Amino acid sequence: EAGVVQSPRYKIIEKKQPVAFWCNPISGHNTLYWYLQNLGQGPELLIRYENEEAVDDSQLPKDRFSAERLKGVDSTLKIQPAELGDSAVYLCASSLGSQPTYEQYFGPGTRLTVT
Amino acid sequence: GQQLNQSPQSMFIQEGEDVSMNCTSSSIFNTWLWYKQEPGEGPVLLIALYKAGELTSNGRLTAQFGITRKDSFLNISASIPSDVGIYFCAGQSFISGTYKYIFGTGTRLKVLA
Repeated sequence: EAGVVQSPRYKIIEKKQPVAFWCNPISGHNTLYWYLQNLGQGPELLIRYENEEAVDDSQLPKDRFSAERLKGVDSTLKIQPAELGDSAVYLCASSLGSQPTYEQYFGPGTRLTVT
Repeated sequence: GQQLNQSPQSMFIQEGEDVSMNCTSSSIFNTWLWYKQEPGEGPVLLIALYKAGELTSNGRLTAQFGITRKDSFLNISASIPSDVGIYFCAGQSFISGTYKYIFGTGTRLKVLA
């Protein structure tokens, strides 16, 4: 069975440009997470979806970040405009549900470099 | 954002040695998780702990959920070269009707053959 798929794997953009990341979760997983991982740090949750609904977006910088999960499957995370400090790895994860007994499966991440 | 304290930050060990690392917090958690991350990949779950005092093993890995619910420990016995990677702890709590996960800062493990 395929794991969590993310694209692109790498992205280099100039500051003030928009950028979008795409995630395809494991089939049947209702819960989808977007995490930000800065160099040398652990992942930090940006947003969590239960099907189509964003149930926790308290850590999402809403002035420049947006996300959607249409039809409760694939998800897109967008940054507009990007800033130098947004350079990081953006991880997507999915699980059957949000309860702690359900394992989160992570994708390989998209490494964003803003110049 | 908030991160849990992990120590040591990094360690070099000889193949065959045992490894110990820990994770501490000022907050109480209901679940402790330990992950391993290799370069260019996302974290992979190693062990999940659901009860204070719980001791759980997964092959050469053993983890414990601290009695105070504010810490957790991971031990790796007889390390091998493929144990190289970054180990993250994560604590889970239920706040304001939703599950919250906070990751640690990571312990970078390097094994010398």
